[in-house]
Amino acid sequence: AQSVSQHNHHVILSEAASLELGCNYSYGGTVNLFWYVQYPGQHLQLLLKYFSGDPLVKGIKGFEAEFIKSKFSFNLRKPSVQWSDTAEYFCAAPNFGNEKLTFGTGTRLTIIP
Amino acid sequence: DTAVSQTPKYLVTQMGNDKSIKCEQNLGHDTMYWYKQDSKKFLKIMFSYNNKELIINETVPNRFSPKSPDKAHLNLHINSLELGDSAVYFCASSPGVAGTSVDTQYFGPGTRLTVL
Repeated sequence: AQSVSQHNHHVILSEAASLELGCNYSYGGTVNLFWYVQYPGQHLQLLLKYFSGDPLVKGIKGFEAEFIKSKFSFNLRKPSVQWSDTAEYFCAAPNFGNEKLTFGTGTRLTIIP
Repeated sequence: DTAVSQTPKYLVTQMGNDKSIKCEQNLGHDTMYWYKQDSKKFLKIMFSYNNKELIINETVPNRFSPKSPDKAHLNLHINSLELGDSAVYFCASSPGVAGTSVDTQYFGPGTRLTVL
């Protein structure tokens, strides 16, 4: 079964700091990878996704993620965070049958003004 | 226009009661899902439907019964509510076909269920 690991449970940064959130998945047969963001009190929204092509994908609000197949990783990055980036971030990958998404446990990001 | 909507937004009820949550999407997607998000923000799939047909049932207690009257609607009925059912329930839809491929999922605003 697919498992998705997000090792950073809670990250606290000051504004303008650089961000990298880790995501590792277990089943290497998949290449459909997602990052979702959940702002306080809101629903999940797609931040970015990777299906094929350039392993460095860019998403909304200046976020990007790099797919490294050999490391089973899809880490999320942003060069300079803002207070409005405070949210919960979820990495997700399909299961073995490519029929459903398995979500990581999420990383809470708190940005201090 | 709201793409995926859910009602109600909040639901507070007593143990043992039966309740329903409704979900509608106007994106024209064939696939819809129900997820449960617990107090630690862990998100787990419960069901998925493709064009009114049940595709995924994640060993959810049979007190939970999804119903899809048409491909734009997926409702969730819960019988004999228990304390452990307290959570946020999210509906989602996707242009992908559940059971064959996974595509971007569009989530509703969530229903916060509190069982007292």
